[in-house]
Amino acid sequence: QSVLTQPPSASGTPGQRVTISCSGSSSNIGSNTVSWYHHLPGTAPKLLIYHNNQRPPGVPARFSGSKSDTSASLAISGLQSEDEADYYCAAWDDSLNGVVFGGGTKLTVL
Amino acid sequence: HLQLQESGSGLVKPSQTLSLSCAVSGASVSSSNYYWSWIRQPPGKGLEWIGYIYHSGSTSFNPSLKSRVTISVDTSKNQFSLKLNSVTAADTAVYYCARLTVTTKSVDYWGQGSLATVSS
Repeated sequence: QSVLTQPPSASGTPGQRVTISCSGSSSNIGSNTVSWYHHLPGTAPKLLIYHNNQRPPGVPARFSGSKSDTSASLAISGLQSEDEADYYCAAWDDSLNGVVFGGGTKLTVL
Repeated sequence: HLQLQESGSGLVKPSQTLSLSCAVSGASVSSSNYYWSWIRQPPGKGLEWIGYIYHSGSTSFNPSLKSRVTISVDTSKNQFSLKLNSVTAADTAVYYCARLTVTTKSVDYWGQGSLATVSS
C-alpha cells in the first residue's frame, strides 16, 4: 500500500484535458513540494513536474501541476496518444526522511 | 550529459544477498547537491523508495527495509551500491538507481533499471 493515494486509472480522448489526483498527509504533501513522473514499462521514469508546478526543460507546457494542503494534481491538456503511460506522484516525507510515492495512475488515451 | 547505469546480480536465491552497483557519469557522487538513491518497482506494483546516501556518507532508508539494506559509495569509481540481504520472492523487482536533488527533493535522473529475480 502506497503512502500517497492516486486513482489506479484515468482516460481521455485526444485533445481532451485530464487530471490525476494525489492525496497525502501533513508529513509529506502538507509540508513539502510534490513531483510527478511519467513512466513507460521497461524504461526509466521521467521527471515531469517538480516543486508542485515547475517543468524541467523539454517538458511541454500542456503538463501542469498544482498543490493544495495535503493534495496535488497533475493536469494534461491537449491529450495525445503518446501520453499513454503510468504517472506517479511523489513527495518528501519528514517522518521518513525520504521520498514517498503514489501507487501510480495508468492513463489510457481512447 | 548525466548517465546512471545499474549492474549486478540478476538472479538471487532466497535468503541470499542482492547486490547492485550504479556507475555515474556526468556528475560527481561527491557533490553536496544530491542524494544518491535506490528505488524499486515490483512486478505489477508501484515505485518504492529504498534509501539514499549523501556525499558525507550519511544514509537514510525506508523503515520497511532498513534492517536489511546497506548503501555505500565509492568516490574513486564514482559509483554507489546497494546490498539487500535475506531476500525473499517479495524482493523481486526492477531496481533503479537515481539522483535525488537536495533542493527540490525530486528525482531528476534515473537509471534504466535492473531486474533482480529472487528464485531458487
